[in-house]
Amino acid sequence: EVQLVQSGGEVKKPGESLNISCKGSGYSFGSYLIGWVRQRPGKGLELIGIIYPGDSDTTYNPSFQGRVTISVDKSISTAYLQWTSLKASDTAMYYCARHPLAYGMDVWGQGTTVTVSS
Amino acid sequence: EIVLTQSPGTLSLSLGDRATLSCRASQSVTNDYLAWYQQKPGQAPRLLIYAASSRAAGIPDRFSGGGSGTDFTLTISRLEPEDFALYYCQQYGNSLLTFGPGTKVDIK
Repeated sequence: EVQLVQSGGEVKKPGESLNISCKGSGYSFGSYLIGWVRQRPGKGLELIGIIYPGDSDTTYNPSFQGRVTISVDKSISTAYLQWTSLKASDTAMYYCARHPLAYGMDVWGQGTTVTVSS
Repeated sequence: EIVLTQSPGTLSLSLGDRATLSCRASQSVTNDYLAWYQQKPGQAPRLLIYAASSRAAGIPDRFSGGGSGTDFTLTISRLEPEDFALYYCQQYGNSLLTFGPGTKVDIK
């Protein structure tokens, strides 16, 4: 079964760093793009960026450039989303999703909730 | 950036009704790479339709997609109880994928 399993929910303070993960299984992880998507409470879906695990080539939504870093460790089939200094406005649910180019985002992780509060 | 507009914002219908959701793009979507997703409260989005009109694996045939260029539709032929949810369109024709704001289908 093709799956993406994300790390657990996090509660952090403003200014703290954070790294959340997304582990793929059941398919060739290095062959498919992985996207990260933000959903703020009660709001819609926003693409943060996309990474190709095969060569770590990454494209960011300009709205998120410089605020987060997307990376991957192909050896353990895991993608990461990282912050160095969280803000309250980063409070959201974060999803990873597999993106086979012509097919949309066909497999989604269960989501990781991030709460940033003093 | 391609901006997607969905209408209506909310669609109030009854079981068995036909639902037609619209998604309009600010410019032509390359290769008609337009997807539709369903999201229920507390759940991740689920892919329904890709490339404007192809159903994803396991999606019932009451869901159909159509359109091309800048105008796309998602049709649910007969609403079942599990279809009352939020629906998003997404274009993935360029590297900056964008989502529409969503249409909520609720029970009348």
